[in-house]
Amino acid sequence: DGGITQSPKYLFRKEGQNVTLSCEQNLNHDAMYWYRQDPGQGLRLIYYSQIVNDFQKGDIAEGYSVSREKKESFPLTVTSAQKNPTAFYLCASSVQGASYEQYFGPGTRLTVT
Amino acid sequence: QQPVQSPQAVILREGEDAVINCSSSKALYSVHWYRQKHGEAPVFLMILLKGGEQKGHDKISASFNEKKQQSSLYLTASQLSYSGTYFCGTESRDDKIIFGKGTRLHILP
Repeated sequence: DGGITQSPKYLFRKEGQNVTLSCEQNLNHDAMYWYRQDPGQGLRLIYYSQIVNDFQKGDIAEGYSVSREKKESFPLTVTSAQKNPTAFYLCASSVQGASYEQYFGPGTRLTVT
Repeated sequence: QQPVQSPQAVILREGEDAVINCSSSKALYSVHWYRQKHGEAPVFLMILLKGGEQKGHDKISASFNEKKQQSSLYLTASQLSYSGTYFCGTESRDDKIIFGKGTRLHILP
């Protein structure tokens, strides 16, 4: 079955710790995206990547970092510099760029206390 | 810039129709529509790629007015399963999607 997996579903961390969220896809898609979702705010783009070893900042990249060493993997690190990291994080992929349907993973709910 | 969706929320009885609007201050290349159920991932509904394009499947359709930089989603004879939050996403020059804040739709039996 093709799709996107995110793990874990729930994640708890203490303030000041970095944490890495996993995103893997077996759809052979070139483009991958990370979004943050807060109540009433919609989906806000953190980072996106159109090709391996290349990625661009989205609208709210501060305090986050990513890597794209393999086509199928796009992990997101939430660093201690992110002032308000508690949120629902969604990973998505598309065949190629923004004119194509995005497939979303099930999301990771991160709670930082 | 984030597209503006209206209304923010709507409550309907089963069988009634709804229209959700999405407008942008930037020139648009495409408009996406997604539906999200509570606690789940958004699910793709449709993409409109050209100005004036209209699409639809089942009783959900959409239009894209490129000149006005607007899109509308039409839900006809709504069913209970249509409940959820609807997001439009707009693509401008820089090959990324910017999503609106969403429209919450609640269908009553």
